[in-house]
Amino acid sequence: EADIYQTPRYLVIGTGKKITLECSQTMGHDKMYWYQQDPGMELHLIHYSYGVNSTEKGDLSSESTVSRIRTEHFPLTLESARPSHTSQYLCASRGIGRVRDTIYFGEGSWLTVV
Amino acid sequence: LAKTTQPISMDSYEGQEVNITCSHNNIATNDYITWYQQFPSQGPRFIIQGYKTKVTNEVASLFIPADRKSSTLSLPRVSLSDTAVYYCLVGALKAAGNKLTFGGGTRVLVKP
Repeated sequence: EADIYQTPRYLVIGTGKKITLECSQTMGHDKMYWYQQDPGMELHLIHYSYGVNSTEKGDLSSESTVSRIRTEHFPLTLESARPSHTSQYLCASRGIGRVRDTIYFGEGSWLTVV
Repeated sequence: LAKTTQPISMDSYEGQEVNITCSHNNIATNDYITWYQQFPSQGPRFIIQGYKTKVTNEVASLFIPADRKSSTLSLPRVSLSDTAVYYCLVGALKAAGNKLTFGGGTRVLVKP
């Protein structure tokens, strides 16, 4: 199974608060991704990274920011949370596992902004 | 990443075989075809991957015709727990500029 971890799993915070969603993987993968997904809806790529000190914005505009200081760590930060940020955030990493090209997802972080 | 087209949804009954076809007309020579399964409130997880012909594992089979412009995921004798969204992805690990975008997937509902 995948060794990729997200914390917190569930979080309720007030509007205007700063929040960082943590994502760590122990597989040594260079490529990491953040997706946003509302219930029953598509996965939207919001950030990705090809390696240390490399970050790019995804297809869906997001007010969040990411950093990649270490290979295993790819945190996502919201400086000032708003109710529109309420969603599930999924972190993933990609590398060669038992098969040629496999994406591994964390269990997700459910964020509710009130 | 090659563009893929899948049916939006499919209904089935317990014990039946479910076949989901994915079209990927612009698949490149180096591209592999990978299918993922996503349950509600969880991240997608790997099901099966193939390059050509047929691949089978303990969960599913993947059929890929000679021209590789489509692929069919086959789930034998589905149960209620197979209700999920199934995504088809086509791409190569070393593809430059590959942002790894998922399409809408196919929502499979297994009924009792």
